[in-house]
Amino acid sequence: DAGITQSPRYKITETGRQVTLMCHQTWSHSYMFWYRQDLGHGLRLIYYSAAADITDKGEVPDGYVVSRSKTENFPLTLESATRSQTSVYFCASSEPEGGYTFGSGTRLTVV
Amino acid sequence: ILNVEQSPQSLHVQEGDSTNFTCSFPSSNFYALHWYRWETAKSPEALFVMTLNGDEKKKGRISATLNTKEGYSYLYIKGSQPEDSATYLCAFIGDNTDKLIFGTGTRLQVFP
Repeated sequence: DAGITQSPRYKITETGRQVTLMCHQTWSHSYMFWYRQDLGHGLRLIYYSAAADITDKGEVPDGYVVSRSKTENFPLTLESATRSQTSVYFCASSEPEGGYTFGSGTRLTVV
Repeated sequence: ILNVEQSPQSLHVQEGDSTNFTCSFPSSNFYALHWYRWETAKSPEALFVMTLNGDEKKKGRISATLNTKEGYSYLYIKGSQPEDSATYLCAFIGDNTDKLIFGTGTRLQVFP
């Protein structure tokens, strides 16, 4: 099906572990984004990508790594998870002048 | 740091009431203003992308206006229905960046 899919939907991990959140879109949108949603902060941009092999930092990039080897995939890796990274993570994609299309979110709990 | 502010934070209205809320954003280096509707347990959905000063957009009972010179946008809902209950987000993008910065949203609850 066409769209933007995130996996997993839910994840519990331990402090210090590496975890990767996946994002896949089927529209060939050039832009892809990772946001985290926290109470009192709304959506904050972690990283974004304007095209394959181009990534850039957002507002809160520390502790995260991204890659974009293919246009359709934009995985987000937490290199060594911390409790402060417990959040709901949203991936989104867009064309340069269009509205964003969001995935369903990944709820990550770091214990 | 760019500030996108929305007011009020939350709003409770009766079914049939019309309502509106405000998004304030930097008036310099404007490129576009987005509005999103975000229902609980779902993901945000794009309502409008606005780029021109004075722009007005409409989608059913929801409409939005844009004033880029003074840095605000209004979202209006005419005859609110319970299914309009959601958080409404605005987001700003400047002409010197390709990053969309979100406000914290206005949470609307419509009671039957």
